[in-house]
Amino acid sequence: DAGVTQSPTHLIKTRGQQVTLRCSPKSGHDTVSWYQQALGQGPQFIFQYYEEEERQRGNFPDRFSGHQFPNYSSELNVNALLLGDSALYLCASSLFGGETQYFGPGTRLLVL
Amino acid sequence: GQSLEQPSEVTAVEGAIVQINCTYQTSGFYGLSWYQQHDGGAPTFLSYNALDGLEETGRFSSFLSRSDSYGYLLLQELQMKDSASYFCAVRVGGSWGKLQFGAGTQVVVTP
Repeated sequence: DAGVTQSPTHLIKTRGQQVTLRCSPKSGHDTVSWYQQALGQGPQFIFQYYEEEERQRGNFPDRFSGHQFPNYSSELNVNALLLGDSALYLCASSLFGGETQYFGPGTRLLVL
Repeated sequence: GQSLEQPSEVTAVEGAIVQINCTYQTSGFYGLSWYQQHDGGAPTFLSYNALDGLEETGRFSSFLSRSDSYGYLLLQELQMKDSASYFCAVRVGGSWGKLQFGAGTQVVVTP
């Protein structure tokens, strides 16, 4: 039973570029949430997807967008990258309404 | 607004007991969770308290007092592998809830 997987593991971009991060949820899970974790901080909620719709959103600008596919996998897109977007991006999957979130290993994004 | 406060760092020796406190201010509280994260790793779920009281899972226990907006994670019989960051998180927003995490407590276990 595969857990949550994310790709790529590491990414280097320059300011102004766009990036797409990918996540495959744990088998049987239908809800995907994305978090941004800056160094030394707790994860910050970006948004959550269920039934291919964004259900909840955190305090992130519209440059951050996402998508969920029929197979429950998800993408996080960030446009017009800023230096401050450098962080670890975590994907977490769960059953809708479930209390436990299973996190993937994350994608470490560096914006130069 | 919502906020969670937990100590930034705790140091203890192997075999000792550590208590990590978490106080929170939220609107629409649905429960308090604890996650462990080793350096470079993914956060992993430890426990969840929706009701007041103590939940025990092996060497780890978690407590919640909703009237005090307070909870704690108790780590017993500390082992070197317990050196990690521990985050409390509140679930807000109903059944479609999102997790709001505290800044984390770095636990350092020494021989």
